[in-house]
Amino acid sequence: AQSVTQLDSQVPVFEEAPVELRCNYSSSVSVYLFWYVQYPNQGLQLLLKYLSGSTLVESINGFEAEFNKSQTSFHLRKPSVHISDTAEYFCAVTGFSGTYKYIFGTGTRLKVLA
Amino acid sequence: GAGVSQSPSNKVTEKGKDVELRCDPISGHTALYWYRQRLGQGLEFLIYFQGNSAPDKSGLPSDRFSAERTGESVSTLTIQRTQQEDSAVYLCASSFRQTGELFFGEGSRLTVL
Repeated sequence: AQSVTQLDSQVPVFEEAPVELRCNYSSSVSVYLFWYVQYPNQGLQLLLKYLSGSTLVESINGFEAEFNKSQTSFHLRKPSVHISDTAEYFCAVTGFSGTYKYIFGTGTRLKVLA
Repeated sequence: GAGVSQSPSNKVTEKGKDVELRCDPISGHTALYWYRQRLGQGLEFLIYFQGNSAPDKSGLPSDRFSAERTGESVSTLTIQRTQQEDSAVYLCASSFRQTGELFFGEGSRLTVL
């Protein structure tokens, strides 16, 4: 069985400061990892994904995440956040364990303060 | 349609009634997922359909919950004898392939009085 742990339920950070949202996973099979974002009053949308290849993946709005197999982590980082980054961020994992169901973490609410 | 469509967007029902929630995935998407999101909580996996394969029902919380999908088209999630703890937003997502990006609908907000 697969699982995802997001250790921080809420992360307040000042504008232009760096941020790291933590995600750890558990799986007995090869994994594919994702970060989804849910802006206030909007639906979930993909932020970035790791399928294979380079372990460092980036999004178009400056976020990056690194797949670390030895630490079973996929932490999300941004060197300088904006007010508009305020949202809930969900880490997700899938991999073939009979089926390809996606398992989501409980989410981290990022609040960027002026 | 251009995106995943869910209906109704809001449903208020009395405890004990049955409800049906509908999901219309993006055309051509073979994978379809249902999740439940309780207030302030994460996404709880309910069920996964992939093409004509048998669905993965491992997340359905009780036998009051069931879902159907005909081929690669519309899916219906049915909750029988609703309870107050069923109150949540029910999200549907579809994907073109098994490890592809999930496209989410806006959700169906269910309130059980």
